[in-house]
Amino acid sequence: QVQLLQSGAEVKEPGASVRISCKISGYTFTADYYFHWLRQAPGQGREWMGKINPSGGTTFYPHTLQGRVTMTRDTSTNTVYMELSSLRSEDTATYYCVRGNQFAFDVWGQGTMVTVSS
Amino acid sequence: QSALTQPPSASGSPGQSVTISCTGTSSDVGGYNYVSWYQQHPGKVPKLMIYEVNKRPSGVPDRFSGSKSGNTASLTVSGLQAEDEADYFCTSFAGLHYVFGTGTKVTVL
Repeated sequence: QVQLLQSGAEVKEPGASVRISCKISGYTFTADYYFHWLRQAPGQGREWMGKINPSGGTTFYPHTLQGRVTMTRDTSTNTVYMELSSLRSEDTATYYCVRGNQFAFDVWGQGTMVTVSS
Repeated sequence: QSALTQPPSASGSPGQSVTISCTGTSSDVGGYNYVSWYQQHPGKVPKLMIYEVNKRPSGVPDRFSGSKSGNTASLTVSGLQAEDEADYFCTSFAGLHYVFGTGTKVTVL
């Protein structure tokens, strides 16, 4: 079965960048599925951060994060990455890698906590 | 990205039914049949319970059902069981992005 294993927790200073990895097992990269990144800040709502098709590398980002978020993939290691730049305190959140299927999210990574603090 | 509105809490006794609403706009819930529902137990990863308004993934009990009317989607849990006590949130496709519900804590009395 498909499993998503994310990298560990990160602590970053304001203005820095963070890159989170999501290793995908039990699945061969095809054009059938996109992998999305979601986040939830403490006590806040969930936010969709964008998606990437691991096969062709096509990405889509919401306008609210345009210019700060970059999603990439490495087909040799079946890994997708999410990099967020110019970090600020409000980026403190748990970040999730999830598989998109029929406009829903059917497989979830375990989550990665990112803390932005000076 | 405005959040979809859910009641903060809902409850029912074992065997009863509970229905959770998820209210959006014509740009999200009302505009697409792409509403999904998730169950999340404390400290656990969310689990997909309903997709495309009323479809259940394999393995999800038929006690869980979904529906939609206008800009409001609903999740009904029939025959409540102790293990149904969890947080539930909805999600809707909104054209160029996705929006999420505010979440509802379901308590089994």
